[in-house]
Amino acid sequence: AQSVTQLDSHVSVSEGTPVLLRCNYSSSYSPSLFWYVQHPNKGLQLLLKYTSAATLVKGINGFEAEFKKSETSFHLTKPSAHMSDAAEYFCVVSDRGDYKLSFGAGTTVTVRA
Amino acid sequence: EPEVTQTPSHQVTQMGQEVILRCVPISNHLYFYWYRQILGQKVEFLVSFYNNEISEKSEIFDDQFSVERPDGSNFTLKIRSTKLEDSAMYFCASSVTRGNEQFFGPGTRLTVL
Repeated sequence: AQSVTQLDSHVSVSEGTPVLLRCNYSSSYSPSLFWYVQHPNKGLQLLLKYTSAATLVKGINGFEAEFKKSETSFHLTKPSAHMSDAAEYFCVVSDRGDYKLSFGAGTTVTVRA
Repeated sequence: EPEVTQTPSHQVTQMGQEVILRCVPISNHLYFYWYRQILGQKVEFLVSFYNNEISEKSEIFDDQFSVERPDGSNFTLKIRSTKLEDSAMYFCASSVTRGNEQFFGPGTRLTVL
């Protein structure tokens, strides 16, 4: 069975400072991992995905994530936060070949001016 | 850029009534999904659909729920007799292949009174 733990329910950063959102996963098989973002009153948008190629994955809007199998982690980072990054972020896992996605509880990011 | 669309954006219904939530997946996608997010809780998988049949469903997806692809473009979720606890945001998603990224619609907020 697959599951995801997002270690922070809320992260607050100042504009221009780095963002770190932490995610640990468990998976029976070789997982696919994703980060999705949800802006207020919007749908879920894919930020980036890991599917067994490079362990450092670059996504949209300057975000990147590193897959660390030994630590079962897939943390999301961005070097410099922007006001538009304020949103809910979900770490998501799928066992390779599985149908469903399993979501973490989400991390709310607020960005201070 | 192609996107998943959902209608209506907000549905209010009385307990015990039937509701149908509609989705138009991305046209060349073959796998279709429904998820829901109860306020303050995780996004939960309900059902996946491929080749005109259910490929996987969660324990939430009981006999009150059904899915259908009535034509070549629409994908619907029917709740036969709504309960108060069915109030949630319902997301439709589609994907090209199994286990790969899923593209989500903006959601339908269902409120059961």
